[in-house]
Amino acid sequence: GQSLEQPSEVTAVEGAIVQINCTYQTSGFYGLSWYQQHDGGAPTFLSYNGLDGLEETGRFSSFLSRSDSYGYLLLQELQMKDSASYFCAVPGGNMLTFGGGTRLMVKP
Amino acid sequence: GAGVSQSPSNKVTEKGKDVELRCDPISGHTALYWYRQSLGQGLEFLIYFQGNSAPDKSGLPSDRFSAERTGGSVSTLTIQRTQQEDSAVYLCASSLGRLAANEQFFGPGTRLTVL
Repeated sequence: GQSLEQPSEVTAVEGAIVQINCTYQTSGFYGLSWYQQHDGGAPTFLSYNGLDGLEETGRFSSFLSRSDSYGYLLLQELQMKDSASYFCAVPGGNMLTFGGGTRLMVKP
Repeated sequence: GAGVSQSPSNKVTEKGKDVELRCDPISGHTALYWYRQSLGQGLEFLIYFQGNSAPDKSGLPSDRFSAERTGGSVSTLTIQRTQQEDSAVYLCASSLGRLAANEQFFGPGTRLTVL
């Protein structure tokens, strides 16, 4: 089976940097994806790490360490619009297995 | 269309009734997925289609749930004899293929409320 653990909630102030961690246990591992979901909205793809290391896309970066079964999403220069839920997910078989999500609240 | 669309956006039904939820994936995407999301929770996998075939139905919670896909495009998720615990947002996603499962494109979901 597959399971992913991430904090349920994180709070940060506008302009700051926040890191959302994800640890996983999987029977087979192909990489780690991150999705963003605003309240009432659809999950949208942010990034995918197939190899160890850091992937950067604008203000967002994602990191993977396969030896530690660990990854994180780093959000820089936080904006109010970044308030949302963030999910890590692992592709495996024919689906994505999602973590429970981290609700990020950005305060002025 | 430009993205994945789902209908209806909201559905309120009485316990025991049947409901049908529809998904239109992105044109050219051969893989289609159904997920369920309860309030404040993560996404729970239900079923996967590759073309019109459903090689993985492992996530369907009971035999009251079924799904089909026709023409390699539109998919319908049917829930028979709905129960209150079926209340959730049902999300559909598509991807270019199974090997692209890491990047899925989601529709806006159907919010199902069973009274």
